[in-house]
Amino acid sequence: RKEVEQDPGPFNVPEGATVAFNCTYSNSASQSFFWYRQDCRKEPKLLMSVYSSGNEDGRFTAQLNRASQYISLLIRDSKLSDSATYLCVVNPQGGKLIFGQGTELSVKP
Amino acid sequence: DTEVTQTPKHLVMGMTNKKSLKCEQHMGHRAMYWYKQKAKKPPELMFVYSYEKLSINESVPSRFSPECPNSSLLNLHLHALQPEDSALYLCASSQEGGPDTEAFFGQGTRLTVV
Repeated sequence: RKEVEQDPGPFNVPEGATVAFNCTYSNSASQSFFWYRQDCRKEPKLLMSVYSSGNEDGRFTAQLNRASQYISLLIRDSKLSDSATYLCVVNPQGGKLIFGQGTELSVKP
Repeated sequence: DTEVTQTPKHLVMGMTNKKSLKCEQHMGHRAMYWYKQKAKKPPELMFVYSYEKLSINESVPSRFSPECPNSSLLNLHLHALQPEDSALYLCASSQEGGPDTEAFFGQGTRLTVV
């Protein structure tokens, strides 16, 4: 079983749609969790950290369920510029960020 | 704009060449990382330096040799690579190599081995 698993997609959605990505992790001792965004042929960029209490940044909401070892990212009112690959990242121990395989999102006009 | 700078952006090298990739950050971060990313795959961790000491080596072949001359610089020395080593090599840094580590990536070096 992979340490971090995501649905690879692609997710094809119209502008204005709400889309949700899910991620599961296998190491129950994992300490911190992140969503990164990667555009084609670019480096990954931190989108947001994920906390047990949930956190929101504008149109983006991230949730963590430690009991189920599950992380989610919700994007509301999708924009064309949201098209990218979204990477779920888990830190199972200090300094060792493990990436999921990424979920590709394509927002269409 | 990324505050982690990698050079060169592109590199083509033969299997008998020796080359180095360079990474620099001026954010005062004490942990630095090398990742390798193949097309349509996620980044894979290679090495972690914490406070200028190698703390994690993910069983990387010895033809890849990391070096951390100081807290701002990270090098990756390459020797006798194989064509399958062609990939995007990403450097990242974070405040520390502990929990709650938010890592920031450079733009990467796109390496082609011929």
